Amino acid sequence: EVHLEESGGGLVQPGGSLRLSCAASGFAFDTYSMNWVRQAPGKGLEWISYISSSSDTIYYADSVKGRFTVSRDNAKNALYLQMNSLRAEDTAVYYCPRGYAFFDYWGQGTLVTVSS
Amino acid sequence: EIVLTQFPATLSLSLGERATLSCRASQSVNSYLAWYQQKPGQAPRLLIYDASNRATGIPARFSGSGSGTDFTLTISSLKPEDFAVYYCQQRGNWPHITFGPGTKVDIK
Repeated sequence: EVHLEESGGGLVQPGGSLRLSCAASGFAFDTYSMNWVRQAPGKGLEWISYISSSSDTIYYADSVKGRFTVSRDNAKNALYLQMNSLRAEDTAVYYCPRGYAFFDYWGQGTLVTVSS
Repeated sequence: EIVLTQFPATLSLSLGERATLSCRASQSVNSYLAWYQQKPGQAPRLLIYDASNRATGIPARFSGSGSGTDFTLTISSLKPEDFAVYYCQQRGNWPHITFGPGTKVDIK
């Protein structure tokens, strides 16, 4: 059974940093592209980052480009999102769905709150 | 950026009724459109991909249609578990993926 579990969220001050993790199991992680998608409280979904199976292709939404860095460790079946220079508008639940261009499996998400 | 518009914003229906949800793209996305269902406190679930293909395990009462800029998600006969928010998502100009604002289907 495919399982994705995000972790690492929490409360951080504006300008601070946080590293999110996504643990994958139940599928051949090293053959799938992965993404980060976020959802601000009470709002819709926003795609923010893509990483190919071998990490050779990476994309970001303009809203996080230059501040966030996605990476993966296929040996550990893990996906990461390093978030720097955090802003209040980055407050959201962060998901790590699997897929190239549509997302067939999602974790339950981890909440990041940026506030002083 | 391709902007997706969903309408209506809220759809109030009774059990057993047919639900028709619309999604319109600001420019053509060919058939590269997906639909997701999200219930409160849960992650989104993929229902339909590439406009009309049901995802694994999705009941036949869910169907998708359309191409270009206009798309429809139809739920043929609403069950209690179908009351949720539904989002469309385009990959027409991948990797610049965007989602629509959602349609809430609630109980009348």
